[in-house]
Amino acid sequence: DTEVTQTPKHLVMGMTNKKSLKCEQHMGHRAMYWYKQKAKKPPELMFVYSYEKLSINESVPSRFSPECPNSSLLNLHLHALQPEDSALYLCASSPGQGLNTDTQYFGPGTRLTVL
Amino acid sequence: AQRVTQPEKLLSVFKGAPVELKCNYSYSGSPELFWYVQYSRQRLQLLLRHISRESIKGFTADLNKGETSFHLKKPFAQEEDSAMYYCALSGKTVFSGGYNKLIFGAGTRLAVHP
Repeated sequence: DTEVTQTPKHLVMGMTNKKSLKCEQHMGHRAMYWYKQKAKKPPELMFVYSYEKLSINESVPSRFSPECPNSSLLNLHLHALQPEDSALYLCASSPGQGLNTDTQYFGPGTRLTVL
Repeated sequence: AQRVTQPEKLLSVFKGAPVELKCNYSYSGSPELFWYVQYSRQRLQLLLRHISRESIKGFTADLNKGETSFHLKKPFAQEEDSAMYYCALSGKTVFSGGYNKLIFGAGTRLAVHP
């Protein structure tokens, strides 16, 4: 399996809801990433997990809560989101060697709409 | 400051014409450069990276350290090349961290007309 998968594909939630996004990879990668992508914009890094430990939090609001239960899974828990949080949320993984030549492999994304 | 600049938001060409998507970077050190492509309704995927020195789907990119550029070129554009192209930079190797951080340019939309 050489792909990063994400579920759900689409998610509509109210501002008081709690939901979670899920990302999975079975390539043996040890670094996993969450990005936010607005329409016609490049991906913006949110979080990086390396060897199941949070390595980077790019000053993301606490209404976004990442979790890495094991080396293959990455979750993003959502609570009390705002309409401006509506975006495509991308997950990516890389081998985990820490080389600047490491390729990041992206999932198809979850299209989130906050009403 | 680390920055990737793609000066063109949109590049519109006819099928068979040469294509050059520009990318300039600012980084104090020896970065690794990548081109990622996002076709309509498909995931962001790696097109090519400098270290591999490959030609993928007829595209090539040369790293010019003097001009700090990594322009993407194809001699004859095809309609299926229409997509969003992102140039990205990865800075210093962080062995202890186990990850690399990508800095993306704003992207250039390539539209190839029949």
